[in-house]
Amino acid sequence: GQQVMQIPQYQHVQEGEDFTTYCNSSTTLSNIQWYKQRPGGHPVFLIQLVKSGEVKKQKRLTFQFGEAKKNSSLHITATQTTDVGTYFCAGLLSGGYQKVTFGTGTKLQVIP
Amino acid sequence: GAGVSQSPRYKVAKRGQDVALRCDPISGHVSLFWYQQALGQGPEFLTYFQNEAQLDKSGLPSDRFFAERPEGSVSTLKIQRTQQEDSAVYLCASSLEVRSGNTIYFGEGSWLTVV
Repeated sequence: GQQVMQIPQYQHVQEGEDFTTYCNSSTTLSNIQWYKQRPGGHPVFLIQLVKSGEVKKQKRLTFQFGEAKKNSSLHITATQTTDVGTYFCAGLLSGGYQKVTFGTGTKLQVIP
Repeated sequence: GAGVSQSPRYKVAKRGQDVALRCDPISGHVSLFWYQQALGQGPEFLTYFQNEAQLDKSGLPSDRFFAERPEGSVSTLKIQRTQQEDSAVYLCASSLEVRSGNTIYFGEGSWLTVV
């Protein structure tokens, strides 16, 4: 079945440093979504990428979707303590309903 | 309320006990999903409803797991004869339409601990 892997599994950064998490799917995706989950919380939708090679920005966050639509990345510039949490990518296969397969997640810790 | 509501938030069950977890999706949302999230893991798909129809239950781990959405709104996930490996957070999510690409809204989850 479809697998979605993320690296790294954990990342500790000093506040102000940049952070990147990478997402790779074993199959071509229709689109990809990114979620943030705070400790003890539930996943919160951040963004969706649909087009091959698409790049979207939200303030300090930059999201990319690969040309082959099998990989994606999230980059955070100048991390803040409020960025702490686990970031999940979630891939959607083409056709049918919106079955979302979550990646393994990257847990970000920001050291003040 | 405006969001997806789940109850109970926390449940401690003795091994072998049956549990029922409730989900109230956002009003008017057609699609409803159940996910299971073990500690330190990503959410794993369990089942999907389009209105009252259960179109995919491929993620249910065993026949002890059963989900329903009889009137196309509230859904219940039932786990019979709970086992320790069932301990996890059970997340319900809903989205407005069926087609791919709509935002999925998650509830806060039901934390199940089987002792």
